[in-house]
Amino acid sequence: AQSVAQPEDQVNVAEGNPLTVKCTYSVSGNPYLFWYVQYPNRGLQFLLKYITGDNLVKGSYGFEAEFNKSQTSFHLKKPSALVSDSALYFCAVRDSETSYDKVIFGPGTSLSVIP
Amino acid sequence: GAVVSQHPSRVICKSGTSVKIECRSLDFQATTMFWYRQFPKQSLMLMATSNEGSKATYEQGVEKDKFLINHASLTLSTLTVTSAHPEDSSFYICSTAWAYGYTFGSGTRLTVV
Repeated sequence: AQSVAQPEDQVNVAEGNPLTVKCTYSVSGNPYLFWYVQYPNRGLQFLLKYITGDNLVKGSYGFEAEFNKSQTSFHLKKPSALVSDSALYFCAVRDSETSYDKVIFGPGTSLSVIP
Repeated sequence: GAVVSQHPSRVICKSGTSVKIECRSLDFQATTMFWYRQFPKQSLMLMATSNEGSKATYEQGVEKDKFLINHASLTLSTLTVTSAHPEDSSFYICSTAWAYGYTFGSGTRLTVV
């Protein structure tokens, strides 16, 4: 079965410092990986995705993620955190084992950027 | 880009009543719509997948008769929570796939009193 893990429930970082939100995955076949951000009582906003190509993916709002096949990881990073980055972050993988390509979400990581 | 409009954003209903949540694709045709449920500080759990013109596919453990899904057109999918109870209180989100990934509705906060 395909799955996504986010080992940290909570990440705290000082404003201006680099941030990393971790994600590991387990899939059969080639992974389609995503990062989404959710603000309170809102839907999900797309940050970036990896399907193929360069292992370093650049996305919205200055975020990037590095695909590491050997470590089955897809960590989200940003060089300099902003207070406005405080939100819930979800790593996700497309489940290619179904005919309708549903998305499986990780448990989420709450990011707090401290002024 | 693809936009999914979800309504209502917030609803409070009495126990035993039914609530309908709508998701409309505004500038594209959505043949498939995913319906998720999210409890506070938890991840999104897929409830069911609706397909235009055919029966929805429900995930294991989701009651088909309680969560009625209809996908009558390529731009509209609805989720009806029937005979709602307080334990159905949750955040419901729809999503669909398009050329560049997945797009999500803004969510519906359902509170059953």
